Amino acid sequence: DAMVIQNPRYQVTQFGKPVTLSCSQTLNHNVMYWYQQKSSQAPKLLFHYYDKDFNNEADTPDNFQSRRPNTSFCFLDIRSPGLGDAAMYLCATSRESGGGHYEQYFGPGTRLTVT
Amino acid sequence: AQRVTQPEKLLSVFKGAPVELKCNYSYSGSPELFWYVQYSRQRLQLLLRHISRESIKGFTADLNKGETSFHLKKPFAQEEDSAMYYCALSGRGTGGSYIPTFGRGTSLIVHP
Repeated sequence: DAMVIQNPRYQVTQFGKPVTLSCSQTLNHNVMYWYQQKSSQAPKLLFHYYDKDFNNEADTPDNFQSRRPNTSFCFLDIRSPGLGDAAMYLCATSRESGGGHYEQYFGPGTRLTVT
Repeated sequence: AQRVTQPEKLLSVFKGAPVELKCNYSYSGSPELFWYVQYSRQRLQLLLRHISRESIKGFTADLNKGETSFHLKKPFAQEEDSAMYYCALSGRGTGGSYIPTFGRGTSLIVHP
């Protein structure tokens, strides 16, 4: 089945120790998103790639970076995690054309714990 | 700026009762609106989108531009409807691509 895969599902890192979360998709969608979701809050968009074009949300901390080496893979790098970065990180994809925006397909998420 | 408001954090009903999950939005252009659902231990998935104007699992949602609302309704709730429901808006950002914005979600609990 075509889908969005996130690895690992659970990640524990130490305060200040860089961590990378990964996302892959078999849907061949041209747009990939990273969201941060904290308990009882809305998923918050961090950034997204439209094809190879990177789009950073204005309030995304500089601590967060992303890479998309090809259509299928996208990575979220947190350079120096703080305790406040503990959250669920969601990857999503969608197919977007000039005619409009289609629904998003989500991965299962990676729960990040910072100790 | 685009914004989605789901005023209810929790909605608790009995099986067979009607359900309405509220969603209001703020957006200057013509929005594309969606309802996503997350069942326990499952990933977030699309329930329905306003363009499709279809009923999924007995749920419907009508876009009311005058009231800037996109409420989700079901006439008779079932226990399997218990889940977290998110309203989402997709509008064009300054860069030209579509930017999705989610509401904080409403937890629906359907009691037997």
